[in-house]
Parts: sequence; structure tokens; C-alpha cells
Amino acid sequence: AQSVTQPDIHITVSEGASLELRCNYSYGATPYLFWYVQSPGQGLQLLLKYFSGDTLVQGIKGFEAEFKRSQSSFNLRKPSVHWSDAAEYFCAVGPSNQGGKLIFGQGTELSVKP
Amino acid sequence: DAGITQSPRYKITETGRQVTLMCHQTWSHSYMFWYRQDLGHGLRLIYYSAAADITDKGEVPDGYVVSRSKTENFPLTLESATRSQTSVYFCASSEPGAGTRVGQFFGPGTRLTVL
Repeated sequence: AQSVTQPDIHITVSEGASLELRCNYSYGATPYLFWYVQSPGQGLQLLLKYFSGDTLVQGIKGFEAEFKRSQSSFNLRKPSVHWSDAAEYFCAVGPSNQGGKLIFGQGTELSVKP
Repeated sequence: DAGITQSPRYKITETGRQVTLMCHQTWSHSYMFWYRQDLGHGLRLIYYSAAADITDKGEVPDGYVVSRSKTENFPLTLESATRSQTSVYFCASSEPGAGTRVGQFFGPGTRLTVL
């Protein structure tokens, strides 16, 4: 079955500390992978995406993610977290066809301590 | 306004009533989607549409009806609302092919409460 797992429901980090949010997927073919961010009361905004090529992808707001096929993972990282990064983060996987129908993980809520 | 809009943004209704949530996009994207967001479940796909007059069920379609007579609009109707349909509903759109690589664009959401 196709699925996305984000093992951490809630993470708290101190401002300036590094961040890694985990994402594991189960998919029958080479997927397209995405990370979205949702600020409180807002819709989802695309942070970054991977579909081929370099397995380390850069996104907006200083985020990056690394695709590891052998581990079926697509973890999101940021070297230094800012208070404005507090939000909910969703990992998603989709096929290379079918118009981008996505399967989302349950989300990880990030809190940032001053 | 350019982009994807949803209306209403907030709605309170009663059990058994019919409710329609509207979604409008200005990009002429072929694909449109409806998701619901609930604590512990992330986003779950309700219905999606590949083009006008083409719709298909997602993961949680029961109790919902969709239509798509025009490319830009994709309304979601709860025929007889139940308390379990209290949720935040998101509409999204995307373009297949190269556009798939960009991912989906999301509306701001509709918070629906069923009493």
C-alpha cells in the first residue's frame, strides 16, 4: 500500500538550533516527493520538491531535503531555525503521472523556543 | 484575484443540512482536489477531478458529492451534514505533466463546524 509516515507528531527546538523532520514513504514506483508548510490558519505552501537528479534539494526559507532511495526517506532539514518557522510540516508523495494526486503524511508540528 | 479561492472561509451548520463549499481557481489547471484535514490524520483526499465533467473518488468520499461543469470551479457538497464532517476543507489545483513537478497549489481552507 502507498503511504507516507512522519514519525514525529510534535517537535520542539530552540531558536538557532538545527532541525530535521523525518519522512518515510512506501511507494511502488519512483515517486515525486514534496514538503509543504502550513502556518496557523493558512493553507499549505510548497517548501521543496524532488523528482529526479541531485538527491539533495534546496527549497525556500533555507530548507533542504535529502532523498535516500535505500531508506525510502525524504527528511527535511534546516541548519538554524527561526521563530517564524513554527508551523506544521507535511511530507507528500505522488506519482510521476496522474496529475499529481498526492498522499500526505500526518504532519509534524514544529514549536520554536526563544 | 489570481490564484485559488475558497468560500465561505467559515461555516457553521446543523446535522442533516446540505452544505456546499466553493472552490475557484484562475490558472485553468486541469486537476482539482478536495481534502479534509483532521488532527492525527493529516490531509485526506475526498474527491479529485482531472478535467471538466471528470471526477473520481479519493480516500474518504462517503457523504460528499462533487461536480465540475467548468474548469475553474469545483464545488464540494455535503448532502446531509454529520458531526463527523466537522473539519477544515482544502481545495487544491495542479497541472499534469511538467506541472506535476511543481506540486499542488492550495486554497486558504474552509473551517466547517457541524452541530
